[in-house]
Amino acid sequence: SQTIHQWPATLVQPVGSPLSLECTVEGTSNPNLYWYRQAAGRGLQLLFYSVGIGQISSEVPQNLSASRPQDRQFILSSKKLLLSDSGFYLCAWSQGRAYEQYFGPGTRLTVT
Amino acid sequence: AQKITQTQPGMFVQEKEAVTLDCTYDTSDPSYGLFWYKQPSSGEMIFLIYQGSYDQQNATEGRYSLNFQKARKSANLVISASQLGDSAMYFCAMREGSGYSTLTFGKGTMLLVSP
Repeated sequence: SQTIHQWPATLVQPVGSPLSLECTVEGTSNPNLYWYRQAAGRGLQLLFYSVGIGQISSEVPQNLSASRPQDRQFILSSKKLLLSDSGFYLCAWSQGRAYEQYFGPGTRLTVT
Repeated sequence: AQKITQTQPGMFVQEKEAVTLDCTYDTSDPSYGLFWYKQPSSGEMIFLIYQGSYDQQNATEGRYSLNFQKARKSANLVISASQLGDSAMYFCAMREGSGYSTLTFGKGTMLLVSP
């Protein structure tokens, strides 16, 4: 069966520091991968998605970036965090033309 | 205009009763799909149910059913026989088009189930 992992689970970082969040999927190949952000009490905002290695689509211009160095690995990064980057970051995957997405446990980021 | 609207910020229901969570959507694409996800306090998003725009029957998954009214552009989630573990945020989402597309989420409804 497929599983999706995210780490770290929680993170507290000062403004201006770099960020690296990692997401990996097991039990499938060539998944579609997604990064979402959820502000407190809000819905999900799609940040990036990827349909293959090295293929990244950005939905929202910001100081974040994403990379997919391996088939089942998706990384969210920032060179300098802003206070507004605080939130709950969720990674998700889907397979081929199947529409439902399956989510990881999330990373709670607090920028101080 | 919002593509997904969930008008109920919060809902209360007693254990063992049924509850309906509202969702309306806006799209001009004839091919689309509607999803419901559950987010408990742990934060993980759990896929519950999916309805395609061309599906003739309402989707059902155990205690979850989707009341799909195409002309009214509504896709309400019905939870039968509520349980304490159903207390969570519930999000409606939509994908548009017949090819690959991403999901657009509503702002969610918080459901609280009381004993």
